[in-house]
Amino acid sequence: QSALTQPASVSGSPGQSITISCTGTSSDVGRYKYVSWYQQHPGKAPKLMIYDVTNRPSGVSNRFSGSKSGNTASLTISGLQAEDEADYYCSSYTRSDTLVFGTGTRVTVL
Amino acid sequence: EVQLLESGGGLVQPGGSLRLSCAASGFTFRDYAMCWVRQAPGKGLEWVSGISSSGGSTLYADSVKGRFTFSRDNSKNTLYLQMNSLRAEDTALYYCARERSGGWPLDYWGQGTLVTVSS
Repeated sequence: QSALTQPASVSGSPGQSITISCTGTSSDVGRYKYVSWYQQHPGKAPKLMIYDVTNRPSGVSNRFSGSKSGNTASLTISGLQAEDEADYYCSSYTRSDTLVFGTGTRVTVL
Repeated sequence: EVQLLESGGGLVQPGGSLRLSCAASGFTFRDYAMCWVRQAPGKGLEWVSGISSSGGSTLYADSVKGRFTFSRDNSKNTLYLQMNSLRAEDTALYYCARERSGGWPLDYWGQGTLVTVSS
């Protein structure tokens, strides 16, 4: 199972909106509603930010939103803040009942 | 408060074995599927293995199939990952994580235990 494709880096100024893409195939992202997004700060464990494409766990800011079209899912961060600077990973359930992660995106707040 | 605490990592020679443990608390352990995810130094996340709430079903990434065995003891609220025939490419921080619901969204993670495979 190949990793999902994400841009290596995305940057934006405080207050701006940015979008991170996550491209898979018809066997994973395109097939299921089970796309999640994780935020990981240096030296920390990943944190679930979005699950089932669009849902936010309790406690996650509504500045984070998810969507999907075909084989590509997206994470949008609105009103970018300094604390949003981190690595972001998407993941998807697969036809093999397993989980595949994206390659990861480094978000930089300018 | 949900807590996951991994242990058992360390330095092992290529071809050697290691057993990781993950002690869970703060939730009804037997109700949740669980998994292991690893992260090589400076690299991205890689799903390693998953186990059903009862322990009756396990899944593995192709990279570890036949070498790793995932099990759980619901009476002890503990997960185990038996790792055999270890390779240099297995060097990573190993996290245990809880599946929130179907489709493997992972809502709680431990802090990880480091496995280094080197001669």
